[in-house]
Amino acid sequence: QVQLVQSGAEVKKPGASVKVSCKASGYTFTNYYLHWVRQAPGQGLEWMGMINPRGGNTNYAQKFQGRVTMTRDTSTNTVYMELNSLRSEDTAVYYCARVASSGRPYSSGWVSFDYWGQGTLVTVPS
Amino acid sequence: QSALTQPASVSGSPGQSITISCTGTSSDVGGYKFVSWYQQHPGKAPKLMIYDVSNRPSGVSNRFSGSKSGNTASLTISGLQVEDEADYYCTSYTSSSPVIFGGGTKLTVL
Repeated sequence: QVQLVQSGAEVKKPGASVKVSCKASGYTFTNYYLHWVRQAPGQGLEWMGMINPRGGNTNYAQKFQGRVTMTRDTSTNTVYMELNSLRSEDTAVYYCARVASSGRPYSSGWVSFDYWGQGTLVTVPS
Repeated sequence: QSALTQPASVSGSPGQSITISCTGTSSDVGGYKFVSWYQQHPGKAPKLMIYDVSNRPSGVSNRFSGSKSGNTASLTISGLQVEDEADYYCTSYTSSSPVIFGGGTKLTVL
């Protein structure tokens, strides 16, 4: 069965960096884009960016450009999201999510997320 | 880019039907068929309920349906059940960024 298992909770100081991992299993890792979504306490969902595990190409939300890096390791079927220059507003649960379709961009389900990781709480005390 | 607009809250009684709206622009909701809806219970990861405006993933109850008219997409839940009480989020593809979320709607089943 498809599973996305994320790394554990982190507490970081302002200005530091955090790297969250998401290990995929139960499907062909390189066939499905993976996205990162975060949720601040009591707030809504926010899209951060995506990575193509096949070629490693990425697309980041403008808000996070220059501060976020998404990478993958095809030998361990793991994607990583690193966020730099942390501030208190980055306190959130970070999710990885797999797209529903292995098809080309603009095909059915290509930006819908059918499997999600369990979430990783990153806390940046003010 | 601003989030898609959803009502902050909706409510209904068991057995009733409710509709949650998701309003965007011609650059997102109105311009593409890639609207999705997610259900999120407290402390849980979101669950995909509708994709590509009106398609239901396998295993999702047919009480959930989606539609779109112009720049507004809608999620309708019929035969409300207590377990439907959750937060609901819409998303859309946009011309400037692959994904944008709505602000979320809290559904209360009275």
